[in-house]
Amino acid sequence: ETGVTQSPTHLIKTRGQQVTLRCSSQSGHNTVSWYQQALGQGPQFIFQYYREEENGRGNFPPRFSGLQFPNYSSELNVNALELDDSALYLCASSLETGTNEKLFFGSGTQLSVL
Amino acid sequence: KQEVTQIPAALSVPEGENLVLNCSFTDSAIYNLQWFRQDPGKGLTSLLLIQSSQREQTSGRLNASLDKSSGRSTLYIAASQPGDSATYLCAVEVPGGGNKLTFGTGTQLKVEL
Repeated sequence: ETGVTQSPTHLIKTRGQQVTLRCSSQSGHNTVSWYQQALGQGPQFIFQYYREEENGRGNFPPRFSGLQFPNYSSELNVNALELDDSALYLCASSLETGTNEKLFFGSGTQLSVL
Repeated sequence: KQEVTQIPAALSVPEGENLVLNCSFTDSAIYNLQWFRQDPGKGLTSLLLIQSSQREQTSGRLNASLDKSSGRSTLYIAASQPGDSATYLCAVEVPGGGNKLTFGTGTQLKVEL
């Protein structure tokens, strides 16, 4: 167990809806990263939050947005859901945001868009 | 654009066998290379992290090597066990902010009794 918890574990939405996924980071960690993993693929970097500010973003459209709270927990919001958004969404926390930081992953939220 | 490739995509071996998983990447401008393990429907567990200035890392029965100049890494698993069955992913940390990792698609390993 890594100490990183994600909720919900599974979610079913329909195309066009909005969704919010939640992540609680490991105690003492101030950095949270989000990844999208489609079936049979490796995870793809969405963005990272460090001390409540976005600190790096991957190649995802603006309808993917996030927040980090003062307790360093985080939310991933996806608007106008598309079928291709169906994936496992992984959250990872780290102690700091420097290079070579070890990432601790949660078990993910499985999102299905119908 | 950094691309990470893993070969083979799937591997089945008898218990006790030593095995090697391969990872290659196209751009040598990396901060580190990491190996992860993923069980079905679960998150990732970090196994080994090799910084760009290092050539290998070891943890128990696992040994990972890094050759930045040729864009290759190998993960060696000694005396494989059924509990090693999982998908193994390699990832490189690239410049661009946010500890961004670029992952391969993984090698699905099955160790049979």
